[in-house]
Amino acid sequence: GAVVSQHPSRVICKSGTSVKIECRSLDFQATTMFWYRQFPKQSLMLMATSNEGSKATYEQGVEKDKFLINHASLTLSTLTVTSAHPEDSSFYICSARDWGGQGLYTFGSGTRLTVV
Amino acid sequence: RKEVEQDPGPFNVPEGATVAFNCTYSNSASQSFFWYRQDCRKEPKLLMSVYSSGNEDGRFTAQLNRASQYISLLIRDSKLSDSATYLCGITDSWGKLQFGAGTQVVVTP
Repeated sequence: GAVVSQHPSRVICKSGTSVKIECRSLDFQATTMFWYRQFPKQSLMLMATSNEGSKATYEQGVEKDKFLINHASLTLSTLTVTSAHPEDSSFYICSARDWGGQGLYTFGSGTRLTVV
Repeated sequence: RKEVEQDPGPFNVPEGATVAFNCTYSNSASQSFFWYRQDCRKEPKLLMSVYSSGNEDGRFTAQLNRASQYISLLIRDSKLSDSATYLCGITDSWGKLQFGAGTQVVVTP
């Protein structure tokens, strides 16, 4: 089945630094990827939709200058958390839809970000 | 009002019993419907897609009621391994998949 690889799985960074999270579709082309954030005991909240070759679209309340998304190829999307603060500590997870398969959404394994 | 709502639970279920819960959605133009299972600190895993005609996969049965705008999941003969958080996922006309907050199920011996 379709596989999405997400790295890193865990990262600890200092406040004020930036962190890049990568999401790769391994065996299919993903023209669109979705980025979610999940705080403890809360739901997965859609942050933005990443579109290959064009600008990402962000959900209401998500700062596009803070969460930079790049989708430069059909298999790679990156999310960069810029000037991270402790309140950005969360579980970040990407998803892609395999239109060549059954059109189901496949998730990466997630990145647990801790900002100290 | 949230677009996708679920009873957070927890639903405490004796092993072997049946448990059922719903998920309501507000967007009548919603396209696709799914149930996912999420274990602690892990990514969601697709349990099943949900269709208007209803569908069954082993001990799991899902139903979609478009008129009342909800989907349901029923688990029969609950196993200890069924303990997890169950997320409903619903796509809009743009293909964006939104989730409910999840329903926690705890199966007890």
